[in-house]
Amino acid sequence: GQQLNQSPQSMFIQEGEDVSMNCTSSSIFNTWLWYKQDPGEGPVLLIALYKAGELTSNGRLTAQFGITRKDSFLNISASIPSDVGIYFCAGQRTSNTGKLIFGQGTTLQVKP
Amino acid sequence: EAGVTQFPSHSVIEKGQTVTLRCDPISGHDNLYWYRRVMGKEIKFLLHFVKESKQDESGMPNNRFLAERTGGTYSTLKVQPAELEDSGVYFCASRSTGLYEQYFGPGTRLTVT
Repeated sequence: GQQLNQSPQSMFIQEGEDVSMNCTSSSIFNTWLWYKQDPGEGPVLLIALYKAGELTSNGRLTAQFGITRKDSFLNISASIPSDVGIYFCAGQRTSNTGKLIFGQGTTLQVKP
Repeated sequence: EAGVTQFPSHSVIEKGQTVTLRCDPISGHDNLYWYRRVMGKEIKFLLHFVKESKQDESGMPNNRFLAERTGGTYSTLKVQPAELEDSGVYFCASRSTGLYEQYFGPGTRLTVT
């Protein structure tokens, strides 16, 4: 079936450092999304990308929709302790109203 | 506005028993999705309702899983009989027609022993 390969699986960084994570797929996606999950909560949408090549920022977060439509990355600048959580990439294949296909998640830990 | 709610938050059952999970979407959201995350793996799609109709149930693992959304409001997901591999976190999400974002509930953690 369709699969998104997300890396790294986990990261342990110092507060203030920048973070980068990415997702790749063998299939084309029409939409890429990045979610964050805090403990005991469901995933919350951080950034949505709708066009190949699109670069979008949301505060300290920046994400890009790869030009081949098969990859995306998420950068977090100047990390803070509340950035701790699990980050998921997700893609939508045929339309942006249907099911989400998720990556395996990147667990981020930030040391104060 | 209340978010997506799920009940129970945790459930521990024995293999062979039945469990029913409930999801209350955001009021007015016609689209309702069920997803599952097995320990350490990706969140996987199970099915999608539009109002009371099943739009896409391609992710349902087998016929031990039954999802319903009578009246097009809340939804239930029944697992009968439960197996060990059914353990995981079951998420529900809802979306308003015409908008793209899916809003997730906090999930139900199911443990089958």
